[in-house]
Amino acid sequence: DQQVKQNSPSLSVQEGRISILNCDYTNSMFDYFLWYKKYPAEGPTFLISISSIKDKNEDGRFTVFLNKSAKHLSLHIVPSQPGDSAVYFCAASRGSSGDKLTFGTGTRLAVRP
Amino acid sequence: KAGVTQTPRYLIKTRGQQVTLSCSPISGHRSVSWYQQTPGQGLQFLFEYFSETQRNKGNFPGRFSGRQFSNSRSEMNVSTLELGDSALYLCASSVGQLPNTEAFFGQGTRLTVV
Repeated sequence: DQQVKQNSPSLSVQEGRISILNCDYTNSMFDYFLWYKKYPAEGPTFLISISSIKDKNEDGRFTVFLNKSAKHLSLHIVPSQPGDSAVYFCAASRGSSGDKLTFGTGTRLAVRP
Repeated sequence: KAGVTQTPRYLIKTRGQQVTLSCSPISGHRSVSWYQQTPGQGLQFLFEYFSETQRNKGNFPGRFSGRQFSNSRSEMNVSTLELGDSALYLCASSVGQLPNTEAFFGQGTRLTVV
């Protein structure tokens, strides 16, 4: 049972435009969400996180939005750059110490120059 | 500061064999977690160790086991390998227990079972 879903396996965006990556979850107990970026032949690297007490968190070009009622979060990248081309994973947890991270299947973002 | 080191990087094993993968966390990190990445399945959680104790376990068969040593280094063992075990195995370390601290991933071990 996939509790965290990224329904778009791939996304292609023009350089300079906005990239929007989506993630849905089914477990209402999740209250802490993270995005990781993964380049080929490298491990995932942490990008940004959000707690359920917020609906938005911003870090430079990256903004994560959380819609708790819809059990949906999205990652916005503005403006998109070719170096952003990677696989993006969203992850969720219950936030309590000791809970595991549940990852989605990933979305491959390609930013065209 | 050295990152998370996983050895070996690549491994080819025959069905039925067993394999041991190693993970050296960032110095000072006490939590190590393991994930299996396969196409279409994303990162599937295997287990997490904190201070030598298994804190969490994913939905994998008993053929998958692990341990953590007093220096926080961790090993993962898979016995009686199956073709479906072919995957990228990722290890992540963090200062404290997940998920409230950032996890740093290693480059992974690519296991191919033939």
